[in-house]
Amino acid sequence: EVVLTQSPGTLSLSPGERATLSCGASQIVRNDNYLAWYQHKPGQAPRLLIFGASTRATGIPDRFSGSGSGTDFTLTISRLEPEDFAVYYCQQYGISPPTFGGGTKVEIK
Amino acid sequence: EVQLVESGGGLVKSGGSLRLSCAASGFIFRDYSMSWIRQAPGKGLEWVASFSYNNNYETYADSVKGRFTISRDNAKNSLFLQMNTLKVEDTGIYYCVRGFRYFDYLYDYWGRGALVTVSS
Repeated sequence: EVVLTQSPGTLSLSPGERATLSCGASQIVRNDNYLAWYQHKPGQAPRLLIFGASTRATGIPDRFSGSGSGTDFTLTISRLEPEDFAVYYCQQYGISPPTFGGGTKVEIK
Repeated sequence: EVQLVESGGGLVKSGGSLRLSCAASGFIFRDYSMSWIRQAPGKGLEWVASFSYNNNYETYADSVKGRFTISRDNAKNSLFLQMNTLKVEDTGIYYCVRGFRYFDYLYDYWGRGALVTVSS
């Protein structure tokens, strides 16, 4: 299976700062870009942010952007809003079984 | 508005069984693949099983294969997960999720989850 490794495990930042989250795959993901990002807040359902490595899902603000291809991917939040503090997961969805990274927690500094 | 509401979670002893249900509304259920994703306490997300919309094809994680069965009732807009021979490591929140467009493994809507606790 494709193993996804996210770094860092925790990111401590202040509102207004830029967040850069990384996701590395153990092998090239399907089509080079079958990689998604989700946001998960405690007690809530996870939310799809990005698919196809760089396409924002419906209703996702443009401060969220995804980049990368093959095995190395990045989620960038250009300016953190208070509601952005959460756990973020990457996921590859092209090769069965679908797999998730271990998550990056973005916390308030 | 798309809604997915899980039910059927609870406390069960190791070796026991539970059946989770997911009531879907706000979309044409039969046109979408559906899946179950779980999260163990303090851990990340783990795919459990999927039911494809277009060929009635089921897929399972190795960790649950032979013990869990995913099914759906398109007439009742419902998804199910029959969990047998439960283990302590099956404890967690189980999310019902909808496949995005024609993808089986990309998820655009999630329920709030059902808690399953397996005791020893």
